[in-house]
Amino acid sequence: GAVVSQHPSRVICKSGTSVKIECRSLDFQATTMFWYRQFPKQSLMLMATSNEGSKATYEQGVEKDKFLINHASLTLSTLTVTSAHPEDSSFYICSAKLPRDREYQETQYFGPGTRLLVL
Amino acid sequence: SQKIEQNSEALNIQEGKTDTLTCNYTNYSPAYLEWYRQDPGRGPVFLLLIRENEKEKRKERLKVTFDTTLKQSLFHITASQPADSATYLCALDPREGFQKLVFGTGTRLLVSP
Repeated sequence: GAVVSQHPSRVICKSGTSVKIECRSLDFQATTMFWYRQFPKQSLMLMATSNEGSKATYEQGVEKDKFLINHASLTLSTLTVTSAHPEDSSFYICSAKLPRDREYQETQYFGPGTRLLVL
Repeated sequence: SQKIEQNSEALNIQEGKTDTLTCNYTNYSPAYLEWYRQDPGRGPVFLLLIRENEKEKRKERLKVTFDTTLKQSLFHITASQPADSATYLCALDPREGFQKLVFGTGTRLLVSP
C-alpha cells in the first residue's frame, strides 16, 4: 500500500515552454501532498505544500507564479513549471501523506521523480 | 541558523559489517525524525520514524536512535549487504505546520561484496 506515481518520468523541453508534472496517490487518498526539487548531489528542497481544495503554501524563495500547483482531487496534484528556463532543469519529486487516521500518518510516501531538462 | 548535517563523504564498508550513519541538527526541536533510503534517480523510500520520546527503534537489520539532548540521530545497519548501497537521508519535523519535513544532505553508503 501507499504507492505514489509521477508522470512523466523524464521530460525535455525548449526554453520558454510550460511543463506539467502529475503526482497521483494510487491506493490511498492524500489530503496533503508535497513538491520537492533536488539538484545533483544535493538534498531534497521543499518547494510547496499542496492541500486538496485549497491554495498551495509555497516555501520562501519559490515563485508561485512560476511553479503552479493544483491539488484538484484527493489523489492528484499537478506542478506546472511555466516559461521554463535551463536553470529550472532539476529532479522534481512529489510525496503524499496518509490520512490522519492511519498509523505513521506523519510519513511521506514519495513518487519516483521527474527529470526535467530545459534546453 | 538551522541546519541538518550528515556525513558528506561516502562510506565504504565490507559486506557483513555494521555501520553507523550520523544525523546532527541545530536550532530545531523536532517532534519526530525519519530516515529514508534513496537510490540514484529515484524518490526516497521511508525506512523508520522515531519520536522525541523514543530512544531507539528497530526494523529488521536497521536500528535508529534519537538523542534530543545531543540533537542527534544515529542509523545502524547490521550484517550489511551490497543491496544496502544507497544514499540515506534523515529528515525531521520542523514544527512549522502541515507536518512537512526538512531533509539532510544524505550519506552515500557503498557495501562491497
